[in-house]
Amino acid sequence: TQLLEQSPQFLSIQEGENLTVYCNSSSVFSSLQWYRQEPGEGPVLLVTVVTGGEVKKLKRLTFQFGDARKDSSLHITAAQPGDTGLYLCAGAQAGKSTFGDGTTLTVKP
Amino acid sequence: DARVTQTPRHKVTEMGQEVTMRCQPILGHNTVFWYRQTMMQGLELLAYFRNRAPLDDSGMPKDRFSAEMPDATLATLKIQPSEPRDSAVYFCASGLVIASNTGELFFGEGSRLTVL
Repeated sequence: TQLLEQSPQFLSIQEGENLTVYCNSSSVFSSLQWYRQEPGEGPVLLVTVVTGGEVKKLKRLTFQFGDARKDSSLHITAAQPGDTGLYLCAGAQAGKSTFGDGTTLTVKP
Repeated sequence: DARVTQTPRHKVTEMGQEVTMRCQPILGHNTVFWYRQTMMQGLELLAYFRNRAPLDDSGMPKDRFSAEMPDATLATLKIQPSEPRDSAVYFCASGLVIASNTGELFFGEGSRLTVL
């Protein structure tokens, strides 16, 4: 049973466009993390959000944690081909991390 | 440059054979996770250890999978006998968990298993 649902599953956009990826759950998490994975490699952490309503910015990426700590979003402004990859959210509970299905993003030049 | 090391990177085997995957976590990390990644199921948690003690292996098929951590520098995942449906990329990740707060997970490059 997948506790975290990500949408959309696939996203293909042109360079310069904006996009938002969503991560939803019926469970409450103590923290939520976003990872990015490139082909042939393991996921790499982008950000951790802990407090309900928290917003974190990492250059062109904006991460938000829902007030109830059940959902999160990742917004990318002016996407670039280098943003291409698999974006995974992971909810942490009692020291265990459960991952969503992922969103495969392709940014075309 | 500390990193999680997994071996083998690639393994092709025939159905029924035993497969052992190894992981060296980052020194100082107290928690080690085994995940399996497929197109259909995404990244599934198989088992994890804290301070070398197994905490949860409910994600693992018990009849054929076993996970151990014989010492702080080695975690193993064994499949016996292997089946074609076990074909996937198996990731090991380590991290520092303090008072149930999960920090960053550092992943290895994965072991790509193909069972014919």
